[in-house]
Amino acid sequence: GIQVEQSPPDLILQEGANSTLRCNFSDSVNNLQWFHQNPWGQLINLFYIPSGTKQNGRLSATTVATERYSLLYISSSQTTDSGVYFCAVYTNAGKSTFGDGTTLTVKP
Amino acid sequence: ETGVTQSPTHLIKTRGQQVTLRCSSQSGHNTVSWYQQALGQGPQFIFQYYREEENGRGNFPPRFSGLQFPNYSSELNVNALELDDSALYLCASSERQGSYTFGSGTRLTVV
Repeated sequence: GIQVEQSPPDLILQEGANSTLRCNFSDSVNNLQWFHQNPWGQLINLFYIPSGTKQNGRLSATTVATERYSLLYISSSQTTDSGVYFCAVYTNAGKSTFGDGTTLTVKP
Repeated sequence: ETGVTQSPTHLIKTRGQQVTLRCSSQSGHNTVSWYQQALGQGPQFIFQYYREEENGRGNFPPRFSGLQFPNYSSELNVNALELDDSALYLCASSERQGSYTFGSGTRLTVV
């Protein structure tokens, strides 16, 4: 099956800093989504981005499907950005694979 | 529009018992996917249902089974519970090809 690798596994930032999270995947995919998991376990959709670039406030994402990677950018980080960020990829066969996540800690 | 709702939120079962978890899809969504998330790991895909038929399955044994109903709500059934089945179970709904919306999950503890 498809392998999804996220890096870095852990990231500690000072408030106001910028960061880049990476997601590499091993095969062609139909779709890709970035999530933020809150402390109660709910996965919050950040971007649905099979290709191209999208922006939403301080967050933006870029997927280069031909090179099998996606990047999530967080600018001017805030303490509320802390949590686990997941990348998930979907195939035609109805299957989906999540990476192991990046745990982000933003210190005041 | 209503989101994805899962019930119950928490559950404690004894090893060997059976459990049924429920998921109501977001309005307009006809596809439901189920995931198991162990502590400190990413969600693992169990299976997906599209229009009441299983549409894809991950590496889970047959004692994990599911149903999707005509209103697109879904159930996950787990038989012969094992201690390692303790996890957060997540349900997501989507259109056939579209972004996934997740519920808040059911936290299952097997003792």
